[in-house]
Amino acid sequence: DTGVSQDPRHKITKRGQNVTFRCDPISEHNRLYWYRQTLGQGPEFLTYFQNEAQLEKSRLLSDRFSAERPKGSFSTLEIQRTEQGDSAMYLCASSLEPRYNEQFFGPGTRLTVL
Amino acid sequence: DAKTTQPTSMDCAEGRAANLPCNHSTISGNEYVYWYRQIHSQGPQYIIHGLKNNETNEMASLIITEDRKSSTLILPHATLRDTAVYYCIVRPRGNTGKLIFGQGTTLQVKP
Repeated sequence: DTGVSQDPRHKITKRGQNVTFRCDPISEHNRLYWYRQTLGQGPEFLTYFQNEAQLEKSRLLSDRFSAERPKGSFSTLEIQRTEQGDSAMYLCASSLEPRYNEQFFGPGTRLTVL
Repeated sequence: DAKTTQPTSMDCAEGRAANLPCNHSTISGNEYVYWYRQIHSQGPQYIIHGLKNNETNEMASLIITEDRKSSTLILPHATLRDTAVYYCIVRPRGNTGKLIFGQGTTLQVKP
């Protein structure tokens, strides 16, 4: 399968714990995006990378959140001191721009904070 | 970024055309109209996009009004597998690439 993959698919954690998610984009895609989706809502943009550079962060991305894309390939999203409000689906997408305009999404990581 | 307005939900009979409207009355000249859909428990999937001309691909057709203030996504022969939430998104040309999703239209295709 050559699509976007995310790991883990599900994560249950206790409030106050740290969690880390991984996203593997489509090979050679230069842009990588993170979104968050809560129940009944559309996805909300969190941040994006152009190769290894993080170029934009949403105000939704509090200082408890950090994302990296160290070699311009896979990316990690870490949430420190999780809160119940962090419970959501975390979606990753990649694209090859400016050649193509479509973003390819992964299946998401569902986080539940108890 | 321009806002979009979509009906909350729609039904369509299997085999019939599904016509999903979107209002984007504040769209500016350099903004594209994109459509994505999200099938339950999956990530969103790109469908089609356009600037001012009508567009067609293997999945759907996109009809944009002449004044560009609204558009319609057409699924010509809806199947049960087309049941999903459909998002209409306005995105500036050459921007950062982030997508701003609204709440979309939940399309239920019925047998």
